[in-house]
Amino acid sequence: DAKTTQPPSMDCAEGRAANLPCNHSTISGNEYVYWYRQIHSQGPQYIIHGLKNNETNEMASLIITEDRKSSTLILPHATLRDTAVYYCIVRVAVNNQFYFGTGTSLTVIP
Amino acid sequence: ETGVTQTPRHLVMGMTNKKSLKCEQHLGHNAMYWYKQSAKKPLELMFVYNFKEQTENNSVPSRFSPECPNSSHLFLHLHTLQPEDSALYLCASSGLVPTDTQYFGPGTRLTVL
Repeated sequence: DAKTTQPPSMDCAEGRAANLPCNHSTISGNEYVYWYRQIHSQGPQYIIHGLKNNETNEMASLIITEDRKSSTLILPHATLRDTAVYYCIVRVAVNNQFYFGTGTSLTVIP
Repeated sequence: ETGVTQTPRHLVMGMTNKKSLKCEQHLGHNAMYWYKQSAKKPLELMFVYNFKEQTENNSVPSRFSPECPNSSHLFLHLHTLQPEDSALYLCASSGLVPTDTQYFGPGTRLTVL
């Protein structure tokens, strides 16, 4: 049970912001939202995570709705190297495990 | 570089062979994981080790045998595999605090003939 729902694919123009949505309507109060990305046939790369508040780091921003049932990952200025599959994951509190869904395949277009 | 290395990066083996995958982490973590990623499928968690003790086995067939001699090293021993076991095998490590991030290695691409 992946616990998250993401669109299967998205396109974004190079230099524009990429906004990747994720629904996690069954999230529990102590479960974190994590985002990873995977470039073809490489290991997943950690991007960002959050619980309630919006978060920002050098890679991206994470916006979590007040009811925590959905979130958006924002890549502020997408480059061609951001083309990858992006996974939104809820970290299950009872066992601290990550359950990956099928993710969103983001293609950045020149 | 994430601090997690895996060897070999590519492996081709016959169904009667015995081989081992190796994972090493240089991050001081106490939890290590094996995942399997088949084509067009999500990552599947296989095994979890905390402080060298196996804490999770997600109904993995016995032809996959993990070994964790210490907190820095994790092995996956393979024997009598099937062609459908061909996949990308990923190792990850993390701390044990609930907010600790998992860091992944580059994976081993396994092909079973």
